[in-house]
Amino acid sequence: KAGVTQTPRYLIKTRGQQVTLSCSPISGHRSVSWYQQTPGQGLQFLFEYFSETQRNKGNFPGRFSGRQFSNSRSEMNVSTLELGDSALYLCASSLAGAMNTEAFFGQGTRLTVV
Amino acid sequence: GENVGLHLPTLSVQEGDNSIINCAYSNSASDYFIWYKQESGKGPQFIIDIRSNMDKRQGQRVTVLLNKTVKHLSLQIAATQPGDSAVYFCAENWDNYGQNFVFGPGTRLSVLP
Repeated sequence: KAGVTQTPRYLIKTRGQQVTLSCSPISGHRSVSWYQQTPGQGLQFLFEYFSETQRNKGNFPGRFSGRQFSNSRSEMNVSTLELGDSALYLCASSLAGAMNTEAFFGQGTRLTVV
Repeated sequence: GENVGLHLPTLSVQEGDNSIINCAYSNSASDYFIWYKQESGKGPQFIIDIRSNMDKRQGQRVTVLLNKTVKHLSLQIAATQPGDSAVYFCAENWDNYGQNFVFGPGTRLSVLP
């Protein structure tokens, strides 16, 4: 069974640009969550999508957005990039129907903003 | 990979010894917990989970203990091996219908030969 796949693995963008990251969950998983990981703040929850709807949202500005498609694949978008957005962006997939369950992570996309 | 905090607590153990990694969680309403292992260049890897109706759960070479009274979680690794060297995170969740986990700062485990 394939794991969680994130693309691309690495990205370099310039301040002010926007970026889209992609996540393909484990087959059969309907929940996709996104996290930002930095040395200073650790792992922080961005948002979760379940059945194409945002189910939870963390404490990030509106420049961070996401969506989920009918095949459960998810994308997150960051607009007007800032230097502080440089981080490892991780997505996690889970079955997560009626109760919280194991979440499995992908390898992440390392975003560098210059 | 991003191995988190600039000043991660570090635990050094001899190969073959048992390791105990501790975590203080934040919310007394949390009812589901996961331990993750993160190696350099990789995403967090699921190790073991536990729900709040249990005090202890065992896996292969790992045991998780939950003390709800003091909001404390621990991960015990038996017969620690060099491949266990990584950063370990605990994660808590109090939303029955959501997968928004709150992660601890992490502990770096270093296995000495």
